[in-house]
Amino acid sequence: EAGVAQSPRYKIIEKRQSVAFWCNPISGHATLYWYQQILGQGPKLLIQFQNNGVVDDSQLPKDRFSAERLKGVDSTLKIQPAKLEDSAVYLCASSFSQGANTEAFFGQGTRLTVV
Amino acid sequence: QQPVQSPQAVILREGEDAVINCSSSKALYSVHWYRQKHGEAPVFLMILLKGGEQKGHEKISASFNEKKQQSSLYLTASQLSYSGTYFCGTGIIQGAQKLVFGQGTRLTINP
Repeated sequence: EAGVAQSPRYKIIEKRQSVAFWCNPISGHATLYWYQQILGQGPKLLIQFQNNGVVDDSQLPKDRFSAERLKGVDSTLKIQPAKLEDSAVYLCASSFSQGANTEAFFGQGTRLTVV
Repeated sequence: QQPVQSPQAVILREGEDAVINCSSSKALYSVHWYRQKHGEAPVFLMILLKGGEQKGHEKISASFNEKKQQSSLYLTASQLSYSGTYFCGTGIIQGAQKLVFGQGTRLTINP
């Protein structure tokens, strides 16, 4: 079974530029998450989708971050404009459902460096 | 709101035991444990749901004390492959998988 795919693996941009990350979840997984993991910290949930609808985006900085999940499969996360403090690993995860007893599978992440 | 993990780091020799604790200031409905190796994706270990259950998988087990709002992960007879950073993710909404992760515990196993 293929895992969660993310691209690119690495990205270096200058502050104020824009960047986009792509995620392809495990086939059949209705729930998709984007996490931000700053070096030395645990993952922080940015946004959660159930199919193509947003379940939770309370921690998404909406003035610069946006995400979409068209057709309820692939998802993209965009940052525009980027700030130095956005340097982090962006992890995508998916699960079969959004129930509390469901395990999430993570992708390898995109390491973003903003200079 | 972020759960507190302790210890922050631990170094063991192969074959020794370890306990990692995860404490929350909020009522917990679930606790998810993950292990992440450097540069890799977090890998799921186990889920514990409200009810004080204990789970185990070979030499890794965990407990969940809902009254104390904490969970503990037990690694017995540790192997080199157990090295990595362990995260607990706490579910504070009943029935939902919105997780708040702790800051992690770095475990190093030496031969």
